[in-house]
Amino acid sequence: SQQGEEDPQALSIQEGENATMNCSYKTSINNLQWYRQNSGRGLVHLILIRSNEREKHSGRLRVTLDTSKKSSSLLITASRAADTASYFCATDAKAGNNRKLIWGLGTSLAVNP
Amino acid sequence: EAQVTQNPRYLITVTGKKLTVTCSQNMNHEYMSWYRQDPGLGLRQIYYSMNVEVTDKGDVPEGYKVSRKEKRNFPLILESPSPNQTSLYFCASSADRGRQETQYFGPGTRLLVL
Repeated sequence: SQQGEEDPQALSIQEGENATMNCSYKTSINNLQWYRQNSGRGLVHLILIRSNEREKHSGRLRVTLDTSKKSSSLLITASRAADTASYFCATDAKAGNNRKLIWGLGTSLAVNP
Repeated sequence: EAQVTQNPRYLITVTGKKLTVTCSQNMNHEYMSWYRQDPGLGLRQIYYSMNVEVTDKGDVPEGYKVSRKEKRNFPLILESPSPNQTSLYFCASSADRGRQETQYFGPGTRLLVL
């Protein structure tokens, strides 16, 4: 599997339900980010969690990070039809003297009204 | 409004006809990059730039060129496009070039090479 791999690949829920998606990674990181992409549009940054943080909230979003398991989860509570989108995690990884972002393939979320 | 703009948004061209996709950001960001997004392959970085006149290859640079003559602009050049460059392209910028934090994405350019 690759760095920043999300699961499930696709998720379909009813409006009002919670949606949970997961991201696993392989190398040590400084931070992990979640982004949303509406169909064919640009990615929008949702939340960044640093390696020394375990949980972070932003509105209806809750992100957890477990560095011992090299995994993160994104929880969207009380989902709405407008939450229908693809969700990507991105982890920073060492690349020579610099760092680069490694992107997962995303989780496609469908929220049915 | 803070934003990254790309032009054109849609482009159909033929093999071998040089094209440029422009990217501009108004946030005074140092770091800019280009990605392509393909089904099943996710986002792959083409080129990035840490600052004016500083550019470097990403993961899939073959067939592309970039330049960074001004801080706000980072055009992507396809000197001789081929059908395998048909893709959805995104420009992104970030305030901190070193720590790889929040990326601001443009709306995307959908390119079809016939």
